[in-house]
Amino acid sequence: KAGVTQTPRYLIKTRGQQVTLSCSPISGHRSVSWYQQTPGQGLQFLFEYFSETQRNKGNFPGRFSGRQFSNSRSEMNVSTLELGDSALYLCASSLALAGGRADTQYFGPGTRLTVL
Amino acid sequence: GEDVEQSLFLSVREGDSSVINCTYTDSSSTYLYWYKQEPGAGLQLLTYIFSNMDMKQDQRLTVLLNKKDKHLSLRIADTQTGDSAIYFCAEDRDSSNTGKLIFGQGTTLQVKP
Repeated sequence: KAGVTQTPRYLIKTRGQQVTLSCSPISGHRSVSWYQQTPGQGLQFLFEYFSETQRNKGNFPGRFSGRQFSNSRSEMNVSTLELGDSALYLCASSLALAGGRADTQYFGPGTRLTVL
Repeated sequence: GEDVEQSLFLSVREGDSSVINCTYTDSSSTYLYWYKQEPGAGLQLLTYIFSNMDMKQDQRLTVLLNKKDKHLSLRIADTQTGDSAIYFCAEDRDSSNTGKLIFGQGTTLQVKP
């Protein structure tokens, strides 16, 4: 089975621009979560999607948004980029167990975003 | 508090055992995970343990869980240079079961030949 794929792998943007990152989960996985990794704050949860619905959201400003499509692929968007948004953005997918509970999360390689 | 705590650095000799420690905060966490991250890569799931277990062994990896002290450890037997990486523990701290993971800051494991 193919793993979680993320595109693009690297991205350079300037302050004020917006960016869209894409994540394709493992086949059959319906839950997709996003995390931000920075040297200062470590790994922080952004949001989780299941069946095209955002079920949980971390403590990030409204500039960070996401969506999920009917094929479970997910995108996240960051508008009005700031220097502090430079980070590795990781996507994780998991099976949805009975009742929709997210199972073990498998991570993609990440998208390295640099904001200049 | 929110924090999952790990020591930042561990150095061992090739062939020795490595023990990476973690303390977590939420006694209601159902699953606890260990992930490995190599330079420039994403997170690789190593193993996990359900909260009603004390120990789990998987080849060279042994996970010990002390629920009373909220302490989790990962032992790597016969450590190899290829084990050099950052190791993260994470707790599944989400009563709504949407899989929100809280991560420690990571332990850098250096394996000397």
